[in-house]
Amino acid sequence: EDKVVQSPLSLVVHEGDTVTLNCSYEVTNFRSLLWYKQEKKAPTFLFMLTSSGIEKKSGRLSSILDKKELFSILNITATQTGDSAVYLCAVGGPQKLVFGQGTRLTINP
Amino acid sequence: GAGVSQSPSNKVTEKGKDVELRCDPISGHTALYWYRQSLGQGLEFLIYFQGNSAPDKSGLPSDRFSAERTGGSVSTLTIQRTQQEDSAVYLCASSSVPRDHPTSYGYTFGSGTRLTVV
Repeated sequence: EDKVVQSPLSLVVHEGDTVTLNCSYEVTNFRSLLWYKQEKKAPTFLFMLTSSGIEKKSGRLSSILDKKELFSILNITATQTGDSAVYLCAVGGPQKLVFGQGTRLTINP
Repeated sequence: GAGVSQSPSNKVTEKGKDVELRCDPISGHTALYWYRQSLGQGLEFLIYFQGNSAPDKSGLPSDRFSAERTGGSVSTLTIQRTQQEDSAVYLCASSSVPRDHPTSYGYTFGSGTRLTVV
């Protein structure tokens, strides 16, 4: 059975800190790994990583995929209170994605 | 529409009643997905529609759950004889999935329907 595990489940830091969120996976047919940010209900797309694109960066956020060790990390530097959210990792596609349970990130001022 | 629209945003129903949840995807998106998110959990795949192909129903948890997609656009997820364990946020997503570009599938999610069975 395909499986995605995120850690930590919860993280509280101070504004300005750098955080690293982890995602490990076991899937039978890897197509891609995606990161989403969920603030209220609707997850919003952050990154997609595939065999041909194993590192992505957008502003203060960056992500790396290690296909050999079957994991990905999401880094956020100089965190702001607006970064507080649940961060979801998902693997698979396009027919369906298998999601991890998410990391709840809280940024305190 | 500009985004994926779901209705109702909240639904409280009594155990044993049937409910219908609606999803209106982004115009032109051929792929439509339903996911369920229980409290504190990740998203659980329910069903996938792609164009006129037979839907992938492999994630539906029981035969009380069914979904339709009419005219390749609006979709309805129906839960019959609701149980308390059905309480969750039901999220719909759509994407344009060009078959020759299988990596181009970032989903756009709707805001979900929060279902509470009492």
